[in-house]
Amino acid sequence: DIQMTQSPSTLSASVGDRVTITCRASQRVNSWLAWFQQKPGEAPKLLIYKVSSLESGVPSRFSGSGSGTEFTLTINSLQPDDFATYYCQQYNAYPYTFGQGTKLEIK
Amino acid sequence: QVQLVQSGAEVKKPGSSVKVSCKASGITITRQAISWVRQTPGQGLEWMGGIIPIFGKPDNAQKFQDRVTISADESTSTVYMEMSSLRSEDTAMYYCARAREGAFDSWGQGTLVTVSS
Repeated sequence: DIQMTQSPSTLSASVGDRVTITCRASQRVNSWLAWFQQKPGEAPKLLIYKVSSLESGVPSRFSGSGSGTEFTLTINSLQPDDFATYYCQQYNAYPYTFGQGTKLEIK
Repeated sequence: QVQLVQSGAEVKKPGSSVKVSCKASGITITRQAISWVRQTPGQGLEWMGGIIPIFGKPDNAQKFQDRVTISADESTSTVYMEMSSLRSEDTAMYYCARAREGAFDSWGQGTLVTVSS
């Protein structure tokens, strides 16, 4: 199975900050990498697919980049609604696998 | 607008089975890839398997190969996930999700399955 490792596990930031979350895959996943946002009591929400494609309706302050085995999610100018948990996921090979999550907290 | 609506919460005894449904609206499920993902505090998000009804045969993660059956009823636009031989570690929130070009763009609201004696 492809292991997905996110860092950091927890991130404290303030409204207006720019933050970056890293996701490393144990094998190449080509471009089949997605990012999700999840808030308590809700299902995950797709933010980014194919490494850097922004899902419809997602604010442009979210962006994704990377290649091969290392990927990043960047959020520019944090808004109060952005404090949540973020997951990366590879869909290059079965079984699809997720990172363990990064909890973004208000500083 | 794709909408996936799941069946309600379940409480089950260890060793029993559970069947969770996921009814789709806004799409015809025939050629849609619908997966099941579970979430536990300990294991995080786990992909369990998925099905594209037109192809019939589901794909399951090895971990769930022996205990999970994923099926679809195109006449009711419903996908099912049945898990047998339940144990306490299967207590989790179970989600169905539709894949668009591989990425899970639409999710059900989740079904909490609690396994307890």
